[in-house]
Amino acid sequence: GAVVSQHPSWVICKSGTSVKIECRSLDFQATTMFWYRQFPKQSLMLMATSNEGSKATYEQGVEKDKFLINHASLTLSTLTVTSAHPEDSSFYICSASRAGGPGGTDTQYFGPGTRLTVL
Amino acid sequence: EDQVTQSPEALRLQEGESSSLNCSYTVSGLRGLFWYRQDPGKGPEFLFTLYSAGEEKEKERLKATLTKKESFLHITAPKPEDSATYLCAVQARNSGGSNYKLTFGKGTLLTVNP
Repeated sequence: GAVVSQHPSWVICKSGTSVKIECRSLDFQATTMFWYRQFPKQSLMLMATSNEGSKATYEQGVEKDKFLINHASLTLSTLTVTSAHPEDSSFYICSASRAGGPGGTDTQYFGPGTRLTVL
Repeated sequence: EDQVTQSPEALRLQEGESSSLNCSYTVSGLRGLFWYRQDPGKGPEFLFTLYSAGEEKEKERLKATLTKKESFLHITAPKPEDSATYLCAVQARNSGGSNYKLTFGKGTLLTVNP
């Protein structure tokens, strides 16, 4: 299998606070993990790519000081939204890339997503 | 720049009415084309990977095909539980420096009425 979990599934926070989202690959070691954001009725927008033990690579326009990514092990990556504001409210989805899985080389398997609402 | 265009944006079918979804792409060397299914409020679920023109893959009522310019997702005798958004994404050969990231289309929202 290729199961990816996220925690929490939803979170509501006050403006100015920080929120941490965890992404875990449960039954495989992920060489790379990706973080996406999805607004209503829109497709997935890649925010950043992370490899275990390395600094994340951020897409153009994504503030790296605001969206902190830590990839501590081959099965865990975390996204921290710092000083969150209402415009950061969105659906955040992670994926984990597995070499040699049922989908073939470098297929991304997605977590269930985290709904963030900033009041 | 890699681009993926999916059509139609939305499709309504009656149960049992077969149809196809289209994914047109431009990429500087295709490494893989991926199809995912996404239900509301959930993350995308992997369906297929296609690597080269002429390749076909099947899973239950779904069949994905690939040419040099586009991919089709054929749905045979759909059921209401097939209702979802279907996403197409491409992975370029030269994106290895960025860990083979995916470029997604906007998706096709499929509704199958009983």
